[in-house]
Amino acid sequence: AQRVTQPEKLLSVFKGAPVELKCNYSYSGSPELFWYVQYSRQRLQLLLRHISRESIKGFTADLNKGETSFHLKKPFAQEEDSAMYYCALGYAGKSTFGDGTTLTVKP
Amino acid sequence: SAVISQKPSRDICQRGTSLTIQCQVDSQVTMMFWYRQQPGQSLTLIATANQGSEATYESGFVIDKFPISRPNLTFSTLTVSNMSPEDSSIYLCSAARDGPYEQYFGPGTRLTVT
Repeated sequence: AQRVTQPEKLLSVFKGAPVELKCNYSYSGSPELFWYVQYSRQRLQLLLRHISRESIKGFTADLNKGETSFHLKKPFAQEEDSAMYYCALGYAGKSTFGDGTTLTVKP
Repeated sequence: SAVISQKPSRDICQRGTSLTIQCQVDSQVTMMFWYRQQPGQSLTLIATANQGSEATYESGFVIDKFPISRPNLTFSTLTVSNMSPEDSSIYLCSAARDGPYEQYFGPGTRLTVT
C-alpha cells in the first residue's frame, strides 16, 4: 500500500543551524513527491515538487529512489521557517500525506 | 495558482444534524478534493469531487454520510450528514489544475459537533 512516513513529529533547531525533515515513502510505481507547508494561522500551501528540482525559500529536496526518501533540507534555518511541514505522495490521481513534522526554529 | 474560499469557516452543530460546506475556486480547475484533518494531524482524503458525475470516495467514507456535489469546474460542496461528535474536525477543500497532485488548499472549515 502507498504510504508516507515522517518519523519526526517535532523538530527543533537554532537559527542558522542546518535542518533536515525526513520523509520516506512506499510506492511500487514511479512516485511524484511534494512538500507542503502550513504556517501558523495560514492555509496549507505547496512548497516543493520533486520534478522541478528547485529551491524555494532556501529549501531543497532530493528524491532518492534507492532509499525511497524525499528529505527536505535547508542549510541555515530562519525563525520564519517555523511551521508544520507535510510530505505528500501523488499517485493514481490523488495524494497521500504524511503525519507532518512541526519545525521550530529558536532564536 | 488558484485561490480557494470555503464557507462556513467554522460551525458548532448538534448531533444528528447536517452541515453543507461550500468550496469556491477563483478559476476553472480540473480536480477538486475534500480532506479531513484533525488539529495537528495529517490530512485524510475523503473523496475526489468529479464534475458532472458522482464523487470517488476513499475507503471508510461513503456517499450517504458525505454527499458531494460538483456542478461546475469552480464549485463543490461537501455535506456532513447525521453528525456525531466523532465528525468534529477540520474539513479542507483543495483544487488542482496542472496535474492532479499540485494542490491549492482552502482555509478549512472547523466543525464541532456537540
